[in-house]
Amino acid sequence: NAGVTQTPKFRILKIGQSMTLQCAQDMNHNYMYWYRQDPGMGLKLIYYSVGAGITDKGEVPNGYNVSRSTTEDFPLRLELAAPSQTSVYFCASRETGNYGYTFGSGTRLTVV
Amino acid sequence: ELKVEQNPLFLSMQEGKNYTIYCNYSTTSDRLYWYRQDPGKSLESLFVLLSNGAVKQEGRLMASLDTKARLSTLHITAAVHDLSATYFCAVEINNDMRFGAGTRLTVKP
Repeated sequence: NAGVTQTPKFRILKIGQSMTLQCAQDMNHNYMYWYRQDPGMGLKLIYYSVGAGITDKGEVPNGYNVSRSTTEDFPLRLELAAPSQTSVYFCASRETGNYGYTFGSGTRLTVV
Repeated sequence: ELKVEQNPLFLSMQEGKNYTIYCNYSTTSDRLYWYRQDPGKSLESLFVLLSNGAVKQEGRLMASLDTKARLSTLHITAAVHDLSATYFCAVEINNDMRFGAGTRLTVKP
């Protein structure tokens, strides 16, 4: 199994550009999450989903959008990139009733 | 609002020594996690603690949970260089997992 796959691994955006961070899991997990990690800090929850068609905001959702059309995919959309969105983004998933999270390898995003 | 505080934030240890990392949180939670992160890498799950008095051990690391005090500890026994990393505790309520700022551990020979 590939686990949680994130693409791209690195990206540089100009202010005002948009992009989609991709996240896919092949474990048939219902729960999926997007976190951001700023330098020297812990992770903060952006959005999460408990199943296809269901999404909810986390602690820091402003400037982001998500969709969950399939169980496998949970893309994160940045519409108007800002320097404050420079961060490392982690996607994670877990199985219903299981407490263990599986994290992807992260996407390092720089907005200039 | 759920807040999670770790201390210390930086820890430099000699090999062979013991030390404890503390994690305090502000409200009742569903469960508590400990993760390890190496520089530039993703998070590795170490422990999940579900109930008061829970204790889990893996190798030189032992985690415990006191829900009444809202405190978890990560105890390191006889530290070795390979344990150098950043350690995070995280507390989950209703799918919202809040992280501490992390403890950056350096183990020196």
